[in-house]
Amino acid sequence: GEDVEQSLFLSVREGDSSVINCTYTDSSSTYLYWYKQEPGAGLQLLTYIFSNMDMKQDQRLTVLLNKKDKHLSLRIADTQTGDSAIYFCAENYAGGYNKLIFGAGTRLAVHP
Amino acid sequence: ETGVTQTPRHLVMGMTNKKSLKCEQHLGHNAMYWYKQSAKKPLELMFVYSLEERVENNSVPSRFSPECPNSSHLFLHLHTLQPEDSALYLCASSHRDRGTEQFFGPGTRLTVL
Repeated sequence: GEDVEQSLFLSVREGDSSVINCTYTDSSSTYLYWYKQEPGAGLQLLTYIFSNMDMKQDQRLTVLLNKKDKHLSLRIADTQTGDSAIYFCAENYAGGYNKLIFGAGTRLAVHP
Repeated sequence: ETGVTQTPRHLVMGMTNKKSLKCEQHLGHNAMYWYKQSAKKPLELMFVYSLEERVENNSVPSRFSPECPNSSHLFLHLHTLQPEDSALYLCASSHRDRGTEQFFGPGTRLTVL
């Protein structure tokens, strides 16, 4: 079945690295995504990775993909208070149209 | 305006009211989506429209009725709702091809009394 799982909460100190983990079930997913939701706002795409890649780096963000274990992670280096938000992992549905399956979201709290 | 807009941003309605949520996209996309976000089930896909045709109705009760009159507009008509329908309703749009980015609106915060 389609299922994406994430831990619900992460608390880090400002300046430290944050690592948010996600597991997914559909091995045919070709794209995996990280979306960010700030309070009172919709979701915004942060980054994505193709399933034939192991790693993608984009400034402070590093995405690691372990396709064998169906495990995806998002590392945020030098975490700032502005990074406090909910982070959603998503995989694309294997069917014929553009449908995403989202995890429950990880709430990241950054404290001084 | 640019991106995906939703109106109203906040809505309070009684169980016997009829109201509609509106979503508009100015991105040239041809697929649109309704999601429900609540504390119980954080992000549930409700409906998908691709080329103005509904391609997914994710077991949503009939008191929610979507309408997609053209590729830029999407409505969610609400009738005889229940308090448990209170949630944030998010609209998104994308190109219809698999793997393309979905752009989200800011949502409508709905409270059913």
